[in-house]
Amino acid sequence: AQSVTQLDSQVPVFEEAPVELRCNYSSSVSVYLFWYVQYPNQGLQLLLKYLSGSTLVKGINGFEAEFNKSQTSFHLRKPSVHISDTAEYFCAVHNTNAGKSTFGDGTTLTVKP
Amino acid sequence: KAGVTQTPRYLIKTRGQQVTLSCSPISGHRSVSWYQQTPGQGLQFLFEYFSETQRNKGNFPGRFSGRQFSNSRSEMNVSTLELGDSALYLCASSSQGAPGRPYGYTFGSGTRLTVV
Repeated sequence: AQSVTQLDSQVPVFEEAPVELRCNYSSSVSVYLFWYVQYPNQGLQLLLKYLSGSTLVKGINGFEAEFNKSQTSFHLRKPSVHISDTAEYFCAVHNTNAGKSTFGDGTTLTVKP
Repeated sequence: KAGVTQTPRYLIKTRGQQVTLSCSPISGHRSVSWYQQTPGQGLQFLFEYFSETQRNKGNFPGRFSGRQFSNSRSEMNVSTLELGDSALYLCASSSQGAPGRPYGYTFGSGTRLTVV
């Protein structure tokens, strides 16, 4: 069985400050990890993914994430956030055998001016 | 490249009715998955279709069904609607072909279903 825990339900931060959104996972099979972003009244958009190889992955909009196998974590980071980054962020682990992704409960990032 | 298109965007139905939601995946994507999103349960997997075959199914009652056509377009149907079926239904397509490494989903904007 797979599960994802997003450790913070809400993260408020000021514009141009750095941010980290935390994600821990558990998986009994090969680990494929994803971060998605959801803006109001929209579907989810893929930010970045870890399939294998380098543990530091870069995505769109200046986001990056680091896969840490020993700590079973996949935290999302951005060095300087913008107002437009205000959205809900979902961490997910994909199980290719089951053909589905398991999502965390989401973290609402609010960027304040 | 056109994205994933879901229709309709909004629906209001009465308890006991049935509803059909439609999804057109990205051209060339053969895998279509459906998820239900609610404030209480988050994102829950409904089913996945690949080449007109249901390949995987989540833990939802038989009132929830789907199908995929030869052009990869997919529909999901919910019969005998209950108040608890109110949710955002998201369709996601993927370029993953045979089981293997996933490429991630491209989601549509969803259909917001309200059951009254």
